[in-house]
Amino acid sequence: NAGVTQTPKFQVLKTGQSMTLQCAQDMNHEYMSWYRQDPGMGLRLIHYSVGAGITDQGEVPNGYNVSRSTTEDFPLRLLSAAPSQTSVYFCASSYSFTRVTSGANVLTFGAGSRLTVL
Amino acid sequence: RKEVEQDPGPFNVPEGATVAFNCTYSNSASQSFFWYRQDCRKEPKLLMSVYSSGNEDGRFTAQLNRASQYISLLIRDSKLSDSATYLCVVILPQTGANNLFFGTGTRLTVIP
Repeated sequence: NAGVTQTPKFQVLKTGQSMTLQCAQDMNHEYMSWYRQDPGMGLRLIHYSVGAGITDQGEVPNGYNVSRSTTEDFPLRLLSAAPSQTSVYFCASSYSFTRVTSGANVLTFGAGSRLTVL
Repeated sequence: RKEVEQDPGPFNVPEGATVAFNCTYSNSASQSFFWYRQDCRKEPKLLMSVYSSGNEDGRFTAQLNRASQYISLLIRDSKLSDSATYLCVVILPQTGANNLFFGTGTRLTVIP
């Protein structure tokens, strides 16, 4: 059981380059999300999805795109990388977004992707 | 106003000490509460859920105070391995928008 798999673990980009962070989960989770974590800022939600074909913006969506064509995959695209996007990115999933039952909202995180934009 | 606020610390405590963290939330309709643990350069992992009646897991006790709108985490007999950042999570009623909010985390260092 792989859980949530993120790739790549590390990436260095030049300003203006584009790239995609991959996220896949094998737990049949309905809810998937992307966070960035910066020192002193905590986890900030970028985009999230409550099911295949449905995505929505979080707190800091500018400069990022997402899609959810399957239940398993939720890639995050950086359109034109900027130094301000240097961060650690976490993908997370949970069984349900809408059902507030024991365990349904518990998030499982990927191991993180460390991105540096020069 | 932030949905969830935590004292960032750091809390530096000796081994064997008891330490407590609080996390305040702004929305009285908040429904679910959790504590996550994040080790340095690792992903957050669920430590424990917080139930209305309070709950205990070994050396860890979580409590919810709805009247004052905060949750707490108590760690007894601190171990070196407890050194980590502790994140609180609050889930609001479903409204169609994002309803899950993290605190910024409280850093704990247990000193030999």
